[in-house]
Amino acid sequence: NAGVMQNPRHLVRRRGQEARLRCSPMKGHSHVYWYRQLPEEGLKFMVYLQKENIIDESGMPKERFSAEFPKEGPSILRIQQVVRGDSAAYFCASSPAEGVREKLFFGSGTQLSVL
Amino acid sequence: GENVEQHPSTLSVQEGDSAVIKCTYSDSASNYFPWYKQELGKRPQLIIDIRSNVGEKKDQRIAVTLNKTAKHFSLHITETQPEDSAVYFCAASLSGQNFVFGPGTRLSVLP
Repeated sequence: NAGVMQNPRHLVRRRGQEARLRCSPMKGHSHVYWYRQLPEEGLKFMVYLQKENIIDESGMPKERFSAEFPKEGPSILRIQQVVRGDSAAYFCASSPAEGVREKLFFGSGTQLSVL
Repeated sequence: GENVEQHPSTLSVQEGDSAVIKCTYSDSASNYFPWYKQELGKRPQLIIDIRSNVGEKKDQRIAVTLNKTAKHFSLHITETQPEDSAVYFCAASLSGQNFVFGPGTRLSVLP
């Protein structure tokens, strides 16, 4: 089991460009969460998705940010027209569809730097 | 919505001593409380968790206690070692949905 896979590990964008962050959950997991972490700070919830559905996006800014988790393929967190304040580590986590659903496992994160 | 507070924000202990980190939560419906350890530049890793039908759980040198009435839970690390140095996060969740994390505690174990 390869664990939660995120790519890219590091992403550099200039202001105004788009950033696409990908997350492949662990095998058998169909719940995906995205968190944002600023240096020396905690994990701030952004969005919770199940396959083809957004369950809770209360932590995600209404503008410029979107997330999806299609039937096939990874979950994508998309940030349009990035600004310097978007620079942060973005962590994805997944949990199982059945059984002990509370177990949340994190990927290695994507460090986004906006120049 | 749920709000999780965590204290202290930083903690230094001598190697071999015990460390205690405390968290409080606001939503009495929360029923699952995991603890994560994050080393510098790495992913948060689940180290122990507790459900609301249990008051205490232990795994070798780490233990977690839960007081549902007071809505607080604590992480206890005994016989601390330098490799325990990391940032620890508590979290609260309702049945595995919408995990809310505390702000973290930076633990330093001094040799």
